[in-house]
Amino acid sequence: EAEVAQSPRYKITEKSQAVAFWCDPISGHATLYWYRQILGQGPELLVQFQDESVVDDSQLPKDRFSAERLKGVDSTLKIQPAELGDSAMYLCASSPRGWGETGANVLTFGAGSRLTVL
Amino acid sequence: KNQVEQSPQSLIILEGKNCTLQCNYTVSPFSNLRWYKQDTGRGPVSLTIMTFSENTKSNGRYTATLDADTKQSSLHITASQLSDSASYICVVSARTSGTYKYIFGTGTRLKVLA
Repeated sequence: EAEVAQSPRYKITEKSQAVAFWCDPISGHATLYWYRQILGQGPELLVQFQDESVVDDSQLPKDRFSAERLKGVDSTLKIQPAELGDSAMYLCASSPRGWGETGANVLTFGAGSRLTVL
Repeated sequence: KNQVEQSPQSLIILEGKNCTLQCNYTVSPFSNLRWYKQDTGRGPVSLTIMTFSENTKSNGRYTATLDADTKQSSLHITASQLSDSASYICVVSARTSGTYKYIFGTGTRLKVLA
């Protein structure tokens, strides 16, 4: 079964350091999402790509966060500098273009990258 | 404002028992509703996806219902197992301007005890 690949699975860093997460969506999926999930809460959208274009980054803290999907395939999420409040699970998800046969497109998540900022 | 509310926030049951999780939403325009299971430290995994016209959908011991009139959904787990211990997240999708917005609930944390 196709999977969304994420790395690293775990990252421990000190505040003010730079951190980067990588995501490889399911092959052919046009839409890619980055979510942040704080322990005990639901995922919060950071950025949404359609192919290589950003369609929603309204919740992305742009002073320290950046995301890119240069060739419309894999994507990188960067935090610089990291702050204590950035400790969370960073989830990548992807979905195919179009609405699907059943009227509902598939949204598939990766296993996530757990960030701890000390 | 688009919102998804889940209840209860947490639940503890004994192995073998049934339970029902609730999801109420105010999302427009509604497209579909899905339930995800999230094990601790892992990404969410889809259990069911329900569109506007579907009332009930089953996936093994999991049965989801949707009442689009009252904007409520439930996830019923039958004969619970220890491996059912996880967070269950209700996600409602809205389709706007050709893209999909996903509104997440905060989840119900289920603990199944032996």
